[in-house]
Amino acid sequence: DAKTTQPPSMDCAEGRAANLPCNHSTISGNEYVYWYRQIHSQGPQYIIHGLKNNETNEMASLIITEDRKSSTLILPHATLRDTAVYYCIVSNQGGKLIFGQGTELSVKP
Amino acid sequence: DAEITQSPRHKITETGRQVTLACHQTWNHNNMFWYRQDLGHGLRLIHYSYGVQDTNKGEVSDGYSVSRSNTEDLPLTLESAASSQTSVYFCASRQDTTYNEQFFGPGTRLTVL
Repeated sequence: DAKTTQPPSMDCAEGRAANLPCNHSTISGNEYVYWYRQIHSQGPQYIIHGLKNNETNEMASLIITEDRKSSTLILPHATLRDTAVYYCIVSNQGGKLIFGQGTELSVKP
Repeated sequence: DAEITQSPRHKITETGRQVTLACHQTWNHNNMFWYRQDLGHGLRLIHYSYGVQDTNKGEVSDGYSVSRSNTEDLPLTLESAASSQTSVYFCASRQDTTYNEQFFGPGTRLTVL
């Protein structure tokens, strides 16, 4: 499984968009990009995933570069409840999830 | 509603004791996973199962065992608890190998004294 690189922490103002970057330069052609988040000591929660096209759901948008070597998770209107650790993971469909250190996002009023 | 539960939520035990952590899911998912999370770190995979009677070792399986006798449950056993196994343990499940959305339980905080 490919490894990912994320900034250890980021701040975002409440109501603004939070853009969380992830580098995955060694991603293979059949590997997807998954995003999970973990809110203070709770179990991780699935957010979104994608292969090559941009994806959007009710929680977030995922932008994957054309060369697939990096991606950005966008929370369009961050709230205080979005304060969490966000994990970017690359994995085959059916593969194991390898969690790194993630990005600790702090949404501030 | 379908869910995944873990018990106990908190456990204190002594070095050398056998401990079993329970994980139960009502989604009828074939795949189940156990992770541990140490303070300030990401999750690490301990064991996983793709179905009844199937078990596989993850990256940190030493000192742990699992068994899968039915679809709903994957208990995690620490054969002889060690202080290094003090951690928060998360169980997860997913429907099958075609989709990697895993659903996580609330976690069990284990302290080994």
